[in-house]
Amino acid sequence: GQQLNQSPQSMFIQEGEDVSMNCTSSSIFNTWLWYKQDPGEGPVLLIALYKAGELTSNGRLTAQFGITRKDSFLNISASIPSDVGIYFCAGRISGSEKLVFGKGTKLTVNP
Amino acid sequence: NAGVTQTPKFRILKIGQSMTLQCAQDMNHNYMYWYRQDPGMGLKLIYYSVGAGITDKGEVPNGYNVSRSTTEDFPLRLELAAPSQTSVYFCASREQGSYEQYFGPGTRLTVT
Repeated sequence: GQQLNQSPQSMFIQEGEDVSMNCTSSSIFNTWLWYKQDPGEGPVLLIALYKAGELTSNGRLTAQFGITRKDSFLNISASIPSDVGIYFCAGRISGSEKLVFGKGTKLTVNP
Repeated sequence: NAGVTQTPKFRILKIGQSMTLQCAQDMNHNYMYWYRQDPGMGLKLIYYSVGAGITDKGEVPNGYNVSRSTTEDFPLRLELAAPSQTSVYFCASREQGSYEQYFGPGTRLTVT
């Protein structure tokens, strides 16, 4: 089946630092979504991307749909303690009703 | 709007027992999904439904069954619980024309 490689697996940063994470695949995707999951909660949608090259922001978060359509990136600027959690990418191939999820990036922010 | 709701939040089952995980959404979404999440493994699709009366298998359907008699509800049934089904289960929904899935708070299931 389709696979998404999400990296890094975990990150430990200081408050105020910027963060970058990405997802790559050997398959072409038509949709990329980024979610955040807090402990004991369900994933919450952060950003949705629908076009190759698209750059979309949501507050301090910015995500990009890669031009090759095989990757996507999420950046968090000026991290704060509440950014702690697991970030998941998800992609959809053309014609599918389903999403494929990456394994997540666990972010720890030290105050 | 309550969004996507799931019950129960926690459950412990003995091997061989059965149970139904409930999922409901009040957003009139046609599409609903069941996932399981194991530590460090992301989300795996169990079953999904594109509308009332229509269901289809996902990546890991074995040991589970679903039904979709109404737009609002999408219950997941475990007939003979096994330790391998210990996991956190999430239900999600989306509207037609959008691929943005919205998740419930999850059910944490332990089978011993």
